Amino acid sequence: EVQLVQSGAEVKKPGESLKISCKASGYSFTSYWIGWVRQMPGKGLEWMGIIYPSDSETRDSPSFKGQVTMSADKSISTAYLHWDSLKASDTAIYYCARKPDGQNYFDYWGQGILVTVS
Amino acid sequence: QSALTQPASVSGSPGQSITISCTGTSSDVGAYNFVSWYQQHPGKAPKLMIYDVSNRPSGVSSRFSASKSGNAASLTISGLQAEDEAEYYCSSYTGSSSYLLFGGGTKLTVL
Repeated sequence: EVQLVQSGAEVKKPGESLKISCKASGYSFTSYWIGWVRQMPGKGLEWMGIIYPSDSETRDSPSFKGQVTMSADKSISTAYLHWDSLKASDTAIYYCARKPDGQNYFDYWGQGILVTVS
Repeated sequence: QSALTQPASVSGSPGQSITISCTGTSSDVGAYNFVSWYQQHPGKAPKLMIYDVSNRPSGVSSRFSASKSGNAASLTISGLQAEDEAEYYCSSYTGSSSYLLFGGGTKLTVL
């Protein structure tokens, strides 16, 4: 069974750093892209970027480029999203999702992580 | 690049059919057959309902269908059920640095 299990909710102060995780299981982690999607409170979905764990190739949304860093650790089938310095406007739910290589949709999603910056 | 345009809300009675539109441009929806649709219930993660314009993943009800014409795509839900009440998002590949775009979302209310 394909599963993407994300780390728990976070409460941080502005200026702090944060790394959230997304652990994959039930499939070959290096054969699919992992994407990150932001959902601000009461708002819609925003695509942030994708990473291919096999070689860590990334594609960033222009809206988020330079704001966050995506990474992946093949040895433990886990993808990460990292902020150096959080802002209050980073308060949102962050989802990871699996994207088949060569396709342009997300077929499995993590449960989401609520990040609160205050 | 701007988000794809969806109506803020639609509604229908049980058993009826509804259609949700998703309007893009000749650079995204109109250029590629890579439109997908997601269902999101409150407090839950999105769920893939349609990919590549009109394909249903295994396990998704045949009551859900979708199509595309020009720069606009649409999702139709027939035989509305109470469990269909949710937010629906369209998405399209753009082929540019923006890569993927989502629509603003449409709240479906089953009356």
